[in-house]
Amino acid sequence: GAGVSQSPRYKVAKRGQDVALRCDPISGHVSLFWYQQALGQGPEFLTYFQNEAQLDKSGLPSDRFFAERPEGSVSTLKIQRTQQEDSAVYLCASSYGTRSGETQYFGPGTRLLVL
Amino acid sequence: GESVGLHLPTLSVQEGDNSIINCAYSNSASDYFIWYKQESGKGPQFIIDIRSNMDKRQGQRVTVLLNKTVKHLSLQIAATQPGDSAVYFCAERPSGGYNKLIFGAGTRLAVHP
Repeated sequence: GAGVSQSPRYKVAKRGQDVALRCDPISGHVSLFWYQQALGQGPEFLTYFQNEAQLDKSGLPSDRFFAERPEGSVSTLKIQRTQQEDSAVYLCASSYGTRSGETQYFGPGTRLLVL
Repeated sequence: GESVGLHLPTLSVQEGDNSIINCAYSNSASDYFIWYKQESGKGPQFIIDIRSNMDKRQGQRVTVLLNKTVKHLSLQIAATQPGDSAVYFCAERPSGGYNKLIFGAGTRLAVHP
């Protein structure tokens, strides 16, 4: 595709509900990143995939957060038993390869509001 | 801990003036730095990057300066236009990792006619 796409763009969840956020990276991009952006803050790293392998999940805030990329393309970030502090914009980014300095291209994000 | 911070949370400039957005970073081992622009409701958009073995890099109307001695990064925008109004983030890539980026909190640039 022309760029990274994410869906849904907006999600309202009641506290305790499970949510699933989808990311479609740029076709052929090996690397995929998830970031969380709180209101008025910069994005914070959550997890990284190289193809289907999740190589770094050090940024996931709790075991309620789970990400997968089973076929090395589309990725899903799942949040179980959502809490109010999970409210944020979730950004997905992809890059072509894995070398240092590869440009990360960001999607528009999914804005999650937990009531 | 590792962090990327910004000196000014908001910068207001007149259209046509030059803008300078500053950023301090704390991880001396970072080897790659990037400036992103984020407009309301959109994801960060790549502007320009610089590697740690360089001091300056120029793009179209933008220049990034890196001072490793004082761990300082700046973005200069020439002839600022209303379309430049956005939040600007600097980000650093700690060496030896998987290219994850550490972002600062951002500076809002407001361009007035």
